[in-house]
Amino acid sequence: AQKITQTQPGMFVQEKEAVTLDCTYDTSDPSYGLFWYKQPSSGEMIFLIYQGSYDQQNATEGRYSLNFQKARKSANLVISASQLGDSAMYFCAMNTGGTYKYIFGTGTRLKVLA
Amino acid sequence: EAGVAQSPRYKIIEKRQSVAFWCNPISGHATLYWYQQILGQGPKLLIQFQNNGVVDDSQLPKDRFSAERLKGVDSTLKIQPAKLEDSAVYLCASSKVPALEQYFGPGTRLTVT
Repeated sequence: AQKITQTQPGMFVQEKEAVTLDCTYDTSDPSYGLFWYKQPSSGEMIFLIYQGSYDQQNATEGRYSLNFQKARKSANLVISASQLGDSAMYFCAMNTGGTYKYIFGTGTRLKVLA
Repeated sequence: EAGVAQSPRYKIIEKRQSVAFWCNPISGHATLYWYQQILGQGPKLLIQFQNNGVVDDSQLPKDRFSAERLKGVDSTLKIQPAKLEDSAVYLCASSKVPALEQYFGPGTRLTVT
């Protein structure tokens, strides 16, 4: 069965510092996609970054990078130069299989301190 | 490009009443999803449509929930009758193809009293 695990319910980071949010996954399907979404207090889910299981290089999108370690089944999100606006819930997600069914983790609440 | 639209944004009903939510996906997006997000949890997929066909509804409580996507565009999600545990935010999302990222609407916050 597919599973996403986020073990950090809450994190604090000082403004302008980097922070890593952990995500581990489990699937027996060789083809899968890994995603990170941000959910501010306003409630809308915002797509941040994507990594395919066959991608050789780690994905990057501006200040976001995904540290993909396939053998360890981890897909950690790294946010560089944190900003106050980065304070939000962050969800790791995966889709697998022919239907590309999505599953989400339980989320990590990030608070950026001034 | 317009985003995913949902209505209403908020709804309060009594248990055993019925309620319906509407979603209009991004133009050209063939895949549409409905999620239930209970406070403090990650979204749970209720149903996934590809055009107007159901791809996955394994987690939809079919005794009380129903959903349709007519003409492969707009979709409605209905709950009848509602229970207290249905209190949650209902999120609609769409994607161009199922393998890619999803774009979410603002959600409908449902409170069942």
